[in-house]
Amino acid sequence: SQQGEEDPQALSIQEGENATMNCSYKTSINNLQWYRQNSGRGLVHLILIRSNEREKHSGRLRVTLDTSKKSSSLLITASRAADTASYFCAPSYNQGGKLIFGQGTELSVKP
Amino acid sequence: EADIYQTPRYLVIGTGKKITLECSQTMGHDKMYWYQQDPGMELHLIHYSYGVNSTEKGDLSSESTVSRIRTEHFPLTLESARPSHTSQYLCASSDGAYTGELFFGEGSRLTVL
Repeated sequence: SQQGEEDPQALSIQEGENATMNCSYKTSINNLQWYRQNSGRGLVHLILIRSNEREKHSGRLRVTLDTSKKSSSLLITASRAADTASYFCAPSYNQGGKLIFGQGTELSVKP
Repeated sequence: EADIYQTPRYLVIGTGKKITLECSQTMGHDKMYWYQQDPGMELHLIHYSYGVNSTEKGDLSSESTVSRIRTEHFPLTLESARPSHTSQYLCASSDGAYTGELFFGEGSRLTVL
C-alpha cells in the first residue's frame, strides 16, 4: 500500500499540552506531507519535508523524518482548542505524483 | 487561501437521479483529483487528471465518471445515483511541480435516499 499509516487513530489532550502524531510508510519516498482537516471540510496543507531533510519547523509545528525507520512525526506545541481536527500524512513516492491518504489521527484539544 | 471551488456543498437526491459535482480552480494547475471520504474514514482516490483530455481511474473503483475538457474544470458525474454513493467528495489540484502539494476544495456532501 502506498498510503501512510497514522498513529494513534485518536488523541485527546488539554489545551497547552503538546500533541505528537506519528506516520509510517512502506518504501522510499521523495517527500512526505502533512495535512489538516476540520470536520466536514477539505484538507489544508501544513508542511512538507523532503527525503534529505530530518526536521522542519513551521510556527508551532515541528515535523521530523527518519528515512531509515520509514517514519515521520508531527508535533504541535502548546495546543489550542482550534487545533482540534484530523491530521493526515501523505508520503510522495515520485516527483509531483498522486498522494494516497490514510485514516488520519483525530486530535481533540479540550479547553 | 486556495482558489478551488466545489458546488454544490450539499446535495440530497433520490435514487436513480443523474448528478454532476462541479470542481473549478483558478490557479492554472495541470493536475486535478477526486477523492471520496466517508465520515471519520480515510480518503480514497477515485479519479485523477494530469491535463486536458487526460483522465485516469484511482485506487478505489467508482461508478462515477469524470471529464477534463478545460484546464480549470474537472466535473464528476454519477449517471444513476444509489444510496451506496452517499459520501463526501473532495476535489484537489496541484501544479505538478516537485513538491506535489495539493490544494483542496471544501467538498461536496452527497446523500442519496
